[in-house]
Amino acid sequence: GAGVSQTPSNKVTEKGKYVELRCDPISGHTALYWYRQSLGQGPEFLIYFQGTGAADDSGLPNDRFFAVRPEGSVSTLKIQRTERGDSAVYLCASSFSGQGRPSDGYTFGSGTRLTVV
Amino acid sequence: GQQVMQIPQYQHVQEGEDFTTYCNSSTTLSNIQWYKQRPGGHPVFLIQLVKSGEVKKQKRLTFQFGEAKKNSSLHITATQTTDVGTYFCAGLGTSGTYKYIFGTGTRLKVLA
Repeated sequence: GAGVSQTPSNKVTEKGKYVELRCDPISGHTALYWYRQSLGQGPEFLIYFQGTGAADDSGLPNDRFFAVRPEGSVSTLKIQRTERGDSAVYLCASSFSGQGRPSDGYTFGSGTRLTVV
Repeated sequence: GQQVMQIPQYQHVQEGEDFTTYCNSSTTLSNIQWYKQRPGGHPVFLIQLVKSGEVKKQKRLTFQFGEAKKNSSLHITATQTTDVGTYFCAGLGTSGTYKYIFGTGTRLKVLA
């Protein structure tokens, strides 16, 4: 596609529920990143994929968070037993990177605003 | 772990005045990127700096990477209302990491 697409754009869920957030990167971009941004803060790294594998998941806050990218394109971020503190904008970004280092910057999607009530 | 701080946190300027934001990393960086995020929007890539002491210009924007590769600055000359937004730096460490650590951001407001 022309840009990074994230769905849904907004998600309101009840505490304790399970949610899935989807990211469709730019075609041909091998690197995919998930970041989380709270109000007034900079994006916080969650996980990085190179192809199908998670090359770095050190930013995932705990084992309630999990992400997959089974075919090396679309990625899904999964959050189990959601808590109010999970409320934030979840940003996905992709880049064309043959060595795991974006040489031309990330292209971010518009994000999914998650609200846990 | 690596931390990236930016100052100031907020800046209000009159249209036509200059603006500078400073970015400081707790560790030496491999390279640094700058992003702009408009209110309600997502971060948009502006530029990447790689070399020690590097200076790059984009129209009214001047970006600089420090000699020690631990700090950077973004200077806007003669601000316009279209410059409104939050400017983030994002640094990549030297330890083979793949992740950029974003700074705390500087929110710019331009008064017409």
